[in-house]
Amino acid sequence: AQSVTQLDSQVPVFEEAPVELRCNYSSSVSVYLFWYVQYPNQGLQLLLKYLSGSTLVKGINGFEAEFNKSQTSFHLRKPSVHISDTAEYFCARLQGGSEKLVFGKGTKLTVNP
Amino acid sequence: DAGVIQSPRHEVTEMGQEVTLRCKPISGHDYLFWYRQTMMRGLELLIYFNNNVPIDDSGMPEDRFSAKMPNASFSTLKIQPSEPRDSAVYFCASSMGRSQPQHFGDGTRLSIL
Repeated sequence: AQSVTQLDSQVPVFEEAPVELRCNYSSSVSVYLFWYVQYPNQGLQLLLKYLSGSTLVKGINGFEAEFNKSQTSFHLRKPSVHISDTAEYFCARLQGGSEKLVFGKGTKLTVNP
Repeated sequence: DAGVIQSPRHEVTEMGQEVTLRCKPISGHDYLFWYRQTMMRGLELLIYFNNNVPIDDSGMPEDRFSAKMPNASFSTLKIQPSEPRDSAVYFCASSMGRSQPQHFGDGTRLSIL
């Protein structure tokens, strides 16, 4: 089955530091990838998506991700984080041939002052 | 624009009772999804519809769960009878077209005592 692996369950960082949240996916012919953010007691909000085209994808709130086919990775990055970025981040992919989203287990980002 | 609207936001009920969760997708979206989120299993797709027709219900746990979409602007997820292990946050999401990002509601936090 096609899968998504988020390597870190928790990432603590200091405010204004850079951050990278890692995501790897199982290889397939075509892949559609997404990053979502979930703030406490809220639903998931789309940060960015990769469907095709440029491998560097820019999203909302200053986040970006790079699609790397050779390493089957789609890591999320932000050069300088804010306290307000504290949330849980989910990497997801569409299951081939369907609209089913398969999620990673999530990474809790905590930004400390 | 209104996003995906779910009701109720919280539900506490006793084991054995019937539970009905409701969802109004974003107008114009032709896909609707029901997810369940738990600490143990993360985010799981239960079922999804396209143009009001169920396409994939392989994630529905058992016969106690049923979902309907009588029209393009309304869907229900029903659990009868409910059990404590059904306690979770249930999310509804909708999307417009194939391979497009899914937009999530704020979820229903369900507690079965």
